[in-house]
Amino acid sequence: QTVVTQEPSFSVSPGGTVTLTCGLSSGSVSTSYYPSWYQQTPGQAPRTLIYSTNTRSSGVPDRFSGSILGNKAALTITGAQADDESDYYCVLYMGSGSWVFGGGTKLTVL
Amino acid sequence: QVQLQESGPGLVKPSQTLSLTCTVSGGSISSGSYYWSWIRQPAGKGLEWIGRIYTSGSTNYNPSLKSRVTISVDTSKNQFSLKLSSVTAADTAVYYCARVGRLTTGYYFDYWGQGTLVTVSS
Repeated sequence: QTVVTQEPSFSVSPGGTVTLTCGLSSGSVSTSYYPSWYQQTPGQAPRTLIYSTNTRSSGVPDRFSGSILGNKAALTITGAQADDESDYYCVLYMGSGSWVFGGGTKLTVL
Repeated sequence: QVQLQESGPGLVKPSQTLSLTCTVSGGSISSGSYYWSWIRQPAGKGLEWIGRIYTSGSTNYNPSLKSRVTISVDTSKNQFSLKLSSVTAADTAVYYCARVGRLTTGYYFDYWGQGTLVTVSS
């Protein structure tokens, strides 16, 4: 079965820039996988940040951006703020109306 | 504004069937532009896609759960439902329902329910 890989944890300083990645256990991530990114804080439902690789969801600050970097999808946070400390999940569309979630990245801002 | 709300028992006994319903408001579940999906999250762990249904009734499931999962839709009530059979403690999780886009709407989860905790225990 396909495994979507994410860094388990990452740390960034306030005001800094961090790039989280989303890869495949076998193969490369391309725009054809329609990568999307979600932010989740404890006890809350996920919030959509980015879809179709690089489109920001309504109301999402422009310090969040999505891209393909090499063979992975990437979420970049520029000018990190304290309330960006969350879990971040990527999701890849596998075709035929099926999806696979990555394991998530716990981002610490300190 | 589309809203989704999960409902169902919060406690299920081992080997029994977990049943949840998601009620959609602010939009029609019969919209051809979207799938309707279930996702779950065990405590302290990541999100897992369970499956999806289209308004026509066509479904697709996570291969790891396929033998135990049934998702159905009731367009007259603007609801869709999840049944997971032969549950064990490993099925204890927060279960979310969500709307997910198709080709023209980006293949992403845009609206989520608040989630409901289901505990499997005797």
